[in-house]
Amino acid sequence: GAVVSQHPSRVICKSGTSVKIECRSLDFQATTMFWYRQFPKKSLMLMATSNEGSKATYEQGVEKDKFLINHASLTLSTLTVTSAHPEDSSFYICSATEDTQYFGPGTRLTVL
Amino acid sequence: SQQGEEDPQALSIQEGENATMNCSYKTSINNLQWYRQNSGRGLVHLILIRSNEREKHSGRLRVTLDTSKKSSSLLITASRAADTASYFCAGSTGGGNKLTFGTGTQLKVEL
Repeated sequence: GAVVSQHPSRVICKSGTSVKIECRSLDFQATTMFWYRQFPKKSLMLMATSNEGSKATYEQGVEKDKFLINHASLTLSTLTVTSAHPEDSSFYICSATEDTQYFGPGTRLTVL
Repeated sequence: SQQGEEDPQALSIQEGENATMNCSYKTSINNLQWYRQNSGRGLVHLILIRSNEREKHSGRLRVTLDTSKKSSSLLITASRAADTASYFCAGSTGGGNKLTFGTGTQLKVEL
C-alpha cells in the first residue's frame, strides 16, 4: 500500500525558533497533500491543503505567515512553523492523496 | 464548526464483545471513511463507504451509512485487545478529497 513518511518524528525547540517538518509520499506521486494538527485526545483539524506547484490553501483561522507550506515536488511537502511558541506545541500530521488519503506517522512538536 | 460528532466519546468493553461507534456529520459528502489511530501515532485507513452505498463489510468491520440522517456507524465484531485505539470518521467533501474528521471514539478492549 501507499506509504507516507514524516520527518522528524519528534522535535523539541526553544521559543522563537522555526521548525521544518517534511512529508513525503514514498511510492506514489501526490499533487495534493494535507496538513493537520491534533491536540491531545482531540480530533484532527485540517490546517491547509498543499498543492504541488502552487500556493497552499489555508483553513479559516490558520495564519499562513505562521505556518509556511511548500510543495516543491510531487513527493514532498514541507510545513515550517515560524517563530514557534509554546502554544504551537502539538501533533502535526500530513496526508497525501492517491485514491484515498494516506497519513504520515505524525510529528510531535514541543516548544519550550 | 463543520466537524462531525461521534458517540460515544469513550467505550470500554471486554474482549470478544462487539463495539459500535456512531458518527454524525453536517454537510453532504462524497464518501465517508473510518480511520484508526493508536496513541501518538498516525492514522490507519480502515474502510470507505460511498454516498450511494448503505452497508459495507471488511473482515470484522461493518460500516453503515444513512445519508438521510447524515450518520454512519462502525461495528467491530469479536473485539480483541489489539483493537484498543481511537477511531475517527471522516467525511469527504468537494473536489480534492478534503476530509472533515469527527471528534473520535476512544475504544478500550480489556482482557
